[in-house]
Amino acid sequence: AQSVAQPEDQVNVAEGNPLTVKCTYSVSGNPYLFWYVQYPNRGLQFLLKYITGDNLVKGSYGFEAEFNKSQTSFHLKKPSALVSDSALYFCAVRAISGGYNKLIFGAGTRLAVHP
Amino acid sequence: NAGVTQTPKFRVLKTGQSMTLLCAQDMNHEYMYWYRQDPGMGLRLIHYSVGEGTTAKGEVPDGYNVSRLKKQNFLLGLESAAPSQTSVYFCASRNRDRTYEQYFGPGTRLTVT
Repeated sequence: AQSVAQPEDQVNVAEGNPLTVKCTYSVSGNPYLFWYVQYPNRGLQFLLKYITGDNLVKGSYGFEAEFNKSQTSFHLKKPSALVSDSALYFCAVRAISGGYNKLIFGAGTRLAVHP
Repeated sequence: NAGVTQTPKFRVLKTGQSMTLLCAQDMNHEYMYWYRQDPGMGLRLIHYSVGEGTTAKGEVPDGYNVSRLKKQNFLLGLESAAPSQTSVYFCASRNRDRTYEQYFGPGTRLTVT
């Protein structure tokens, strides 16, 4: 079955410290992986994606993600967290079902950055 | 460009009432999606459309219907609302290209009492 797992409901980090939000996936074929962020009372915003190429992908707002094929992971990272990074983060994977491409989302991880 | 817009932003319904949620996009995207977001469950796909006049079921289609009469609009209908349909509903759209990046609307918060 095609799926995405975000094992942490919440991640707490102090401002200025590095942060990691974890994501693992299960999909047939080559994975197309995405990270989205949701601020309160807003829709999801695209952060970054991995389709092919370099395993380290750089995205918006200083975020990056590392694709690890052997561990089927796509963890989101940032070297120095900001209070304004506090939000809900979703990992997603492209899945093929019924002949069409769709995104399957994880349950989300709430990131709380403390001053 | 307004991107993806949704109306209304909020709505309270009584059990058994009907309503239609409207999604509009001005990016000339082929594909459109309706999701619902519930705490701890992420986003679940209700219905989607790969082009004008075509729709298909997603993961949780029961109790919902959709129509895509115009390329820029995707309507989600609830014929007889139930409390289990209390949720935040998001519309998204994307281009036909192979980036698969979806653009989301701001959401509609629906409460069914």
